[in-house]
Amino acid sequence: EAGVAQSPRYKIIEKRQSVAFWCNPISGHATLYWYQQILGQGPKLLIQFQNNGVVDDSQLPKDRFSAERLKGVDSTLKIQPAKLEDSAVYLCASSSIRGLAAKNIQYFGAGTRLSVL
Amino acid sequence: GNSVTQMEGPVTLSEEAFLTINCTYTATGYPSLFWYVQYPGEGLQLLLKATKADDKGSNKGFEATYRKETTSFHLEKGSVQVSDSAVYFCALTWDAGGTSYGKLTFGQGTILTVHP
Repeated sequence: EAGVAQSPRYKIIEKRQSVAFWCNPISGHATLYWYQQILGQGPKLLIQFQNNGVVDDSQLPKDRFSAERLKGVDSTLKIQPAKLEDSAVYLCASSSIRGLAAKNIQYFGAGTRLSVL
Repeated sequence: GNSVTQMEGPVTLSEEAFLTINCTYTATGYPSLFWYVQYPGEGLQLLLKATKADDKGSNKGFEATYRKETTSFHLEKGSVQVSDSAVYFCALTWDAGGTSYGKLTFGQGTILTVHP
């Protein structure tokens, strides 16, 4: 079974530029999450999708961050314009809604490391 | 709100030493508890989990017991190896209702380095 795919692995941009990250979840997983992991901290949820609908985006800085999950599969997270404090690893995770044991386990991609200069 | 507190690190051990990484949580209701591990250059991997009080999760020689009375989920391993060097995250989640579980709330992570 293929895991969660993310691209790019690394991105370096200057402040005020825009950037986009892509995520392809595990096949059949209805729930998709984007987390931000700042160096030395644990990941923090930015947004959670259930199929193509948003379940929780309370921690997403909506003035500069946006995310979409068209057709309930792939997802894109965008930052526009980027700030220095956005430097972090952006992690995508997915989980199944089928089966009590399975639905609370999240599977993570390798992440995209963003450096804003 | 819900939160997770891990012991401050980093932790440096010699091979075959005993490992304990403390984790305590604050949550309403009955959360599920997890330990995730992040090896250098890789994403987070689930190490073990427990979904109710007194459950013991175990994997690869690691163990953790869900203690509701002390709101703790400490990670232990009897004999660590160099290959266990990684960052360990304690986390919790809870049923957000419907068919989807809620977000993971993570601790700050503990860096473990094991020397030969």
